[in-house]
Amino acid sequence: KAGVTQTPRYLIKTRGQQVTLSCSPISGHRSVSWYQQTPGQGLQFLFEYFSETQRNKGNFPGRFSGRQFSNSRSEMNVSTLELGDSALYLCASSWTGVTEAFFGQGTRLTVV
Amino acid sequence: SQQGEEDPQALSIQEGENATMNCSYKTSINNLQWYRQNSGRGLVHLILIRSNEREKHSGRLRVTLDTSKKSSSLLITASRAADTASYFCATDPAGANDMRFGAGTRLTVKP
Repeated sequence: KAGVTQTPRYLIKTRGQQVTLSCSPISGHRSVSWYQQTPGQGLQFLFEYFSETQRNKGNFPGRFSGRQFSNSRSEMNVSTLELGDSALYLCASSWTGVTEAFFGQGTRLTVV
Repeated sequence: SQQGEEDPQALSIQEGENATMNCSYKTSINNLQWYRQNSGRGLVHLILIRSNEREKHSGRLRVTLDTSKKSSSLLITASRAADTASYFCATDPAGANDMRFGAGTRLTVKP
C-alpha cells in the first residue's frame, strides 16, 4: 500500500510569510499527527487530528494551525513565519493515534 | 511537550557489539514504542510494548519496560553498520490520543 506522502519536500520562505504543508495518510488511517523536528529540540508534538477533529494540541503558538479533510488528508499552516520555524515537519498517520504510526519523509522548511 | 528522555544522547560502538538505549518517561502510559530515523528522514516503527508487558523481542531487538520506574530499554544485538541511525522512544500519555517522543539517541556503528 502507498505510504504517507508529504508535500512539498523542501520549502524556502521569507520571514513574515505564511506556508501550508500537506500530508496524505495511508488509506484507511483516520489519525494524522504533526511534529516539528529541530536539532536542538528533537521531535515536538504539534497537533493530532482524527476524523476531521483536532483532539490534541502541543505547546505551540496560535500561528501554527491545521485541519483535516473528510478523506483524512491533512494540512498544517504556519503564519507570520519566524527564523525559528525552520525545521523538518513530519506527519504521521495511524489507525487510532496511539498505535503504530507511519511517517512521511517530511517537509524541510527553511525561513530566511 | 516531550514525554520521554533517551539516554545516552549519543552512542558509538563497533560492528558486532550490542547497543543499549534507555528511555525514561513522566506519566502513566498505555503503550511505549521505539522508532528509528535515518538522517533527516521519516521515522520507522520498530516495536510496540504494552504497559502490561515486561519484555518483547523482534529479530535482533529486545525491549524491556518497567512501569514502576517509568523506564524502557532497547537492546540491539550484533549491531551492523546499517543500524547507524537515531532511535526514539514514544509514549501515549494517559488520557491522550497521540504519541510524544523523546529527544533520541544517536547510534553510530563503526564497520
